[in-house]
Formats: sequence, structure tokens, C-alpha cells
Amino acid sequence: DGGITQSPKYLFRKEGQNVTLSCEQNLNHDAMYWYRQDPGQGLRLIYYSQIVNDFQKGDIAEGYSVSREKKESFPLTVTSAQKNPTAFYLCASSTQRVENEKLFFGSGTQLSVL
Amino acid sequence: QKEVEQNSGPLSVPEGAIASLNCTYSDRVSQSFFWYRQYSGKSPELIMSIYSNGDKEDGRFTAQLNKASQYVSLLIRDSQPSDSATYLCAVNKFTGNQFYFGTGTSLTVIP
Repeated sequence: DGGITQSPKYLFRKEGQNVTLSCEQNLNHDAMYWYRQDPGQGLRLIYYSQIVNDFQKGDIAEGYSVSREKKESFPLTVTSAQKNPTAFYLCASSTQRVENEKLFFGSGTQLSVL
Repeated sequence: QKEVEQNSGPLSVPEGAIASLNCTYSDRVSQSFFWYRQYSGKSPELIMSIYSNGDKEDGRFTAQLNKASQYVSLLIRDSQPSDSATYLCAVNKFTGNQFYFGTGTSLTVIP
């Protein structure tokens, strides 16, 4: 089945530690995104990538880093510089064809601080 | 000014009633509009997309778009308890292919 796979489902970070969230898609989508969701808030864009080896900062990129070495993969690293990382992280992908650019989501990763 | 605004609710309707969810957007260049349903602890699920003015129906769901008023709505007919969720409105400004989300409206359907 085609889809977006995020792992792990739950992740715990210790103080000063970097952690990496995995996102893999087999939908052959060009664009991939990372969003952060806090309770009672909407989705806020962290980073997005429209093509391999290229990515752009979203609204809340500070304390995060990404890479896009393969079309299928877009991992997100939450660095120790992100002081309030506890949130639900969502990876998404879309085509870039006009009027077919629907956004599809993975199942999410809940990150908590120990 | 936020790109997308929604009433946070909560909105409560009795089972079988019509639920009406509203959304406004700030940028006239927005081209594509979406409604997502999100259950607690789960990821958003696309339920409707609309690209031109007017109504678009899919089963019990109807999306309405008015670009002149920068307004998009979602009607849920014959509401069921399983429709209880948070509904997110999203817009896409094709330039840059960025999706902007509202904060969501919480809907509760009372049996």
C-alpha cells in the first residue's frame, strides 16, 4: 500500500540530546513537509522540500534541521537548541500538479522530554 | 494577520443535524482549499478539496467556496457521533506550494 511512514510513534529526549524523526513515503511525491502540532493549536510548518537536495525553512525552523538526500526520505532532527520540543510531529507529502496538490500525512511522532 | 482563521468552537450538534464549519483566509492568491478531519491523537485525514467557486458534494459532506468573500465552509449532513473530531481548514498558495492551516474547530455530535 502506498503511504507515508513515520517512526518512531513515541520518542523521548533527554536534556542536551539530538533526536531524529524518520519519514519515508512511497507515493512518488516530489514535495515533503514537517509540521509541529501543540495541544489546541493548528499545524505549524517547520521545513519543507520540493525537490531532492533542496529544502526551505518554514515558520518555526529554529532548533530543527532536515535533509533530503532521496526523494522518498525526509528526516527531521530536533537539536538541543530546541528548548521546548514536546509536541506532535507530522510528516506530509504532496504532488505539485495544479489542482491535485493534496497533502497527505503520516501517522505522527509524539516527542516528549524526559 | 493569520493566513487562515477558524472558530475554535467547540461546536455541538445533535445526531442527525447539519453541522456547519467556517473558515476565512487572508490572501487572495490562495488557489486550493481543503478540509481535514483529525481525531484525538491521530494525524489529519483529508475529507474534501475544492478549487473553484461554488459547492462540491461528496456523500454527507459539502464544501462551499466563495473567493470574493475569501470564505470556505464545510457542511456535514445527518451528523453522526463518529463525526466528532477537530476539523482543520487549509489553503494552498501554489507559488511555493505551501499549505497553511487554521487552528481547527472541535465538533461534538451528541447522540
